[in-house]
Amino acid sequence: SQQGEEDPQALSIQEGENATMNCSYKTSINNLQWYRQNSGRGLVHLILIRSNEREKHSGRLRVTLDTSKKSSSLLITASRAADTASYFCATDRGTSYGKLTFGQGTILTVHP
Amino acid sequence: DVKVTQSSRYLVKRTGEKVFLECVQDMDHENMFWYRQDPGLGLRLIYFSYDVKMKEKGDIPEGYSVSREKKERFSLILESASTNQTSMYLCATERARSSETQYFGPGTRLLVL
Repeated sequence: SQQGEEDPQALSIQEGENATMNCSYKTSINNLQWYRQNSGRGLVHLILIRSNEREKHSGRLRVTLDTSKKSSSLLITASRAADTASYFCATDRGTSYGKLTFGQGTILTVHP
Repeated sequence: DVKVTQSSRYLVKRTGEKVFLECVQDMDHENMFWYRQDPGLGLRLIYFSYDVKMKEKGDIPEGYSVSREKKERFSLILESASTNQTSMYLCATERARSSETQYFGPGTRLLVL
């Protein structure tokens, strides 16, 4: 298994429903980030949560971090068709500043 | 807003050709990165640079080299392209020593025939 594995690999929901994606990692981290990628484009940073934080909100996004279980979840509430994208978690590598390890991503499809 | 541009969106090259992928940023960020993205493998770090003329190998540097002659520009070089280098290549930048937000370019989809 790789650091920063997302689950599920694919998620299909209807507009208005909530979408939850999970990420697990193996080593100690300073922070964990979530990124979004629209088809064929670059990644866009969504939110960062530090190791001493348990929950963070940004608009319709809610991120939780459980360092004891080495896992994080991203919740998108009241999803929209425009939320259709791939979502990646990324963890830092301790003291190797700048190096992130990305998971394989969750493909989210929101049907209108 | 940070702007990261990549020289080409799509590129088709032949096996054995020398390929240059260029990335330019306008935010005066010290750190720059090259990743490749393949289905089922996520993003993998090829090389990164934390200063002009400085470079460090990432997780999969074999078959690649980089050049950073100016702070705003980071080039990825495929010395002799091979079919297994067909991939999506993504450039990213980051403020120095932050391990925080990385800003990505739009990507270059490279096909090696």
